[in-house]
Amino acid sequence: GAVVSQHPSWVICKSGTSVKIECRSLDFQATTMFWYRQFPKQSLMLMATSNEGSKATYEQGVEKDKFLINHASLTLSTLTVTSAHPEDSSFYICSVTPLAASYNEQFFGPGTRLTVL
Amino acid sequence: GQNIDQPTEMTATEGAIVQINCTYQTSGFNGLFWYQQHAGEAPTFLSYNVLDGLEEKGRFSSFLSRSKGYSYLLLKELQMKDSASYLCAVVDSNYQLIWGAGTKLIIKP
Repeated sequence: GAVVSQHPSWVICKSGTSVKIECRSLDFQATTMFWYRQFPKQSLMLMATSNEGSKATYEQGVEKDKFLINHASLTLSTLTVTSAHPEDSSFYICSVTPLAASYNEQFFGPGTRLTVL
Repeated sequence: GQNIDQPTEMTATEGAIVQINCTYQTSGFNGLFWYQQHAGEAPTFLSYNVLDGLEEKGRFSSFLSRSKGYSYLLLKELQMKDSASYLCAVVDSNYQLIWGAGTKLIIKP
């Protein structure tokens, strides 16, 4: 399977600060990356679809000015949580779909646990 | 609307067999995934079904009936490390993944 990395794996920050999370596809090119959020004991919630070279597509209810996504290359997408608040504390996971995938299997990064104090 | 239903939690005994069901109502269907997620970790791929029938892969098998909007994941010879959440996800007509809430499986010795 594909290898996807995320950095940092965990972060603690003060309310009002911005946090950047990186998602890297290590062994293949990915035109599309997905960003998910998962609250404790809940399933994955798709936040946005990140497309290389174009604007991200956000799901309904997700503020695009708060969750800035940049997909600058075929191997890197970043999610910036701007002016983070305690309610943004969650597990953020990215996933990628290989260019050559015949179906939409997604390979997940290890996740980033964000705690906002 | 689109909906994926799975039991919230199941308990089974080490060495036994357990079946986790998933029913779905989605706008179109382009396949169904099962993922395993251990606490605090990202999901890992288990299986993909797009045609009716049973797909076997070692101790894990996945079944699909498109006419019934139904799938199950069958785990045999349960081991303690199988304690995890199991997520069912359906690819709809727009090739979007619709996720179920997951089934937490507890394995007892």
